[in-house]
Amino acid sequence: ETGVTQSPTHLIKTRGQQVTLRCSSQSGHNTVSWYQQALGQGPQFIFQYYREEENGRGNFPPRFSGLQFPNYSSELNVNALELDDSALYLCASSLSASGIYNEQFFGPGTRLTVL
Amino acid sequence: AQSVSQHNHHVILSEAASLELGCNYSYGGTVNLFWYVQYPGQHLQLLLKYFSGDPLVKGIKGFEAEFIKSKFSFNLRKPSVQWSDTAEYFCAVNAINTGRRALTFGSGTRLQVQP
Repeated sequence: ETGVTQSPTHLIKTRGQQVTLRCSSQSGHNTVSWYQQALGQGPQFIFQYYREEENGRGNFPPRFSGLQFPNYSSELNVNALELDDSALYLCASSLSASGIYNEQFFGPGTRLTVL
Repeated sequence: AQSVSQHNHHVILSEAASLELGCNYSYGGTVNLFWYVQYPGQHLQLLLKYFSGDPLVKGIKGFEAEFIKSKFSFNLRKPSVQWSDTAEYFCAVNAINTGRRALTFGSGTRLQVQP
């Protein structure tokens, strides 16, 4: 059973650029959540995907968007990068079933630096 | 919206000292509660979780936490810390019946254990 993997590990972009981060969920999991962890802070929920559809969104602007693919892997896209977007982006996968919450398993994260 | 407060931002202890990290949440409904740990250079790992039943839950590596519903608290404890417990600790809440399975995290407590 492979865990959650994310790519790339590190990324440096300049303000105004666009970035795509990728996540492969743990085998058998159908739900992917994305979080932003700024330095010295706890992770903040961006959005969640369940069976290829967005299933909730945190307080992030529309320039943060995502996708989930049929194999349940996921992408996070950020347009028009701002300096404050510099953070560790975490992906977490879980197995969701109606009315049942299952714990989320986190990947190692992608460290994004915006210059 | 729910929120999580961790009042201890940085805790320094000597080995064998007892540990208690505070966590309070604000949400009037039913919650699932978690403690995650982030060791230096590693990804977030689940220490323990509370879904229902006995409010005293035991996790890995000798950690335990007590859910006190009347105080909206879920404090983490360990009777005797080790140098290897040096890490960042995050309390997290999932509010049931919101239709969303995202986690709301506290800002974290950095624990430094001195040998």
